[in-house]
Amino acid sequence: GAVVSQHPSRVICKSGTSVKIECRSLDFQATTMFWYRQFPKQSLMLMATSNEGSKATYEQGVEKDKFLINHASLTLSTLTVTSAHPEDSSFYICSATQGKETQYFGPGTRLLVL
Amino acid sequence: QKEVEQNSGPLSVPEGAIASLNCTYSDRVSQSFFWYRQYSGKSPELIMSIYSNGDKEDGRFTAQLNKASQYVSLLIRDSQPSDSATYLCAPSRWEKLTFGTGTRLTIIP
Repeated sequence: GAVVSQHPSRVICKSGTSVKIECRSLDFQATTMFWYRQFPKQSLMLMATSNEGSKATYEQGVEKDKFLINHASLTLSTLTVTSAHPEDSSFYICSATQGKETQYFGPGTRLLVL
Repeated sequence: QKEVEQNSGPLSVPEGAIASLNCTYSDRVSQSFFWYRQYSGKSPELIMSIYSNGDKEDGRFTAQLNKASQYVSLLIRDSQPSDSATYLCAPSRWEKLTFGTGTRLTIIP
């Protein structure tokens, strides 16, 4: 149980384009979903927290207009990187909880912006 | 002071031995603690959670928590080559996890 999927697993895009990443909880309803970013050899950094039907809460320093988060249902959250630039290239990982504190992570999406 | 401190390693342990991973945290409000394992290029996977002072055992893994010392550790018994990975300590506060940079563990056959 507690399986989280992400799509796509890898994406390459041109600078200035937008990229959407999907995060789904497959076998449970996720009360809360989280989005992280991890640069090479660095720790996971929380970008935002999202709850179904409400606006996401962004961490300090994360541009909410650049990283759009939509949590349309209890099993789906999306992260859209708008006007992506090479410095946005990173490993984006989502996680989900079932109402308790344990977070289950998706497999991650590797974004490369050329 | 970093919120979560872990020895980055690499920590090399012979196969079959006990691997000991340590973590200190600064936020006294944290009540729940998690250990995740992350293989290179992959996302974290949950190993264990611990909420109360003392030891918690799950198979070959034992987590230890001392809230007064703000210290949490993970012991891996009978280490296997498949245990080679980066181990992330993550205290939780209001459902948010704060990750350390992790300890890279290498099990030597």
